Amino acid sequence: AQSVAQPEDQVNVAEGNPLTVKCTYSVSGNPYLFWYVQYPNRGLQFLLKYITGDNLVKGSYGFEAEFNKSQTSFHLKKPSALVSDSALYFCAVRDKESGYALNFGKGTSLLVTP
Amino acid sequence: DGGITQSPKYLFRKEGQNVTLSCEQNLNHDAMYWYRQDPGQGLRLIYYSQIVNDFQKGDIAEGYSVSREKKESFPLTVTSAQKNPTAFYLCASSISPGYGYTFGSGTRLTVV
Repeated sequence: AQSVAQPEDQVNVAEGNPLTVKCTYSVSGNPYLFWYVQYPNRGLQFLLKYITGDNLVKGSYGFEAEFNKSQTSFHLKKPSALVSDSALYFCAVRDKESGYALNFGKGTSLLVTP
Repeated sequence: DGGITQSPKYLFRKEGQNVTLSCEQNLNHDAMYWYRQDPGQGLRLIYYSQIVNDFQKGDIAEGYSVSREKKESFPLTVTSAQKNPTAFYLCASSISPGYGYTFGSGTRLTVV
């Protein structure tokens, strides 16, 4: 099955600093990759996706992600973090073996301090 | 507004009871999904449906059942066979399999 891994359970960043949330993938063929954000006791909200084309993908709320085929990575980035960015972030990949359902990573908790 | 609605938001179940979680969407999406979320484990796929009257088991289907009689609706039943049902349950839909999801706001199920 196609899968993603998020190596960090938590990332701490000071407000105004750049942030990176890491994701690596294990996929045969061309991956469809996604990032979602979850606030407490809420559903997930879509941030951005990579299907094909430009390796730098821009998404909602100033987030972007860079697809790197040689490193099999799809890291989420933002140039200047806000306290309101504190949330749980999930990387996901489309899985052909389960009818193209998304397989999610375990999530990374982002804490932005003032 | 188009969206996906889960109800109830909170649900309490006694040991040995079956309970049904509702998921309704008015986005005209073909595909619908149920995930279970536990702390530190991410989201795990329970069942998915790509079209009306058809559904498939996901990674952790044991102790759960679903139906897809209408395009708009994909209810999940947590049966008494599910030994550890306490979790946050998320429903999602997609215009087509493999595209991004729209999520509901979730149902938190607790066994009492």
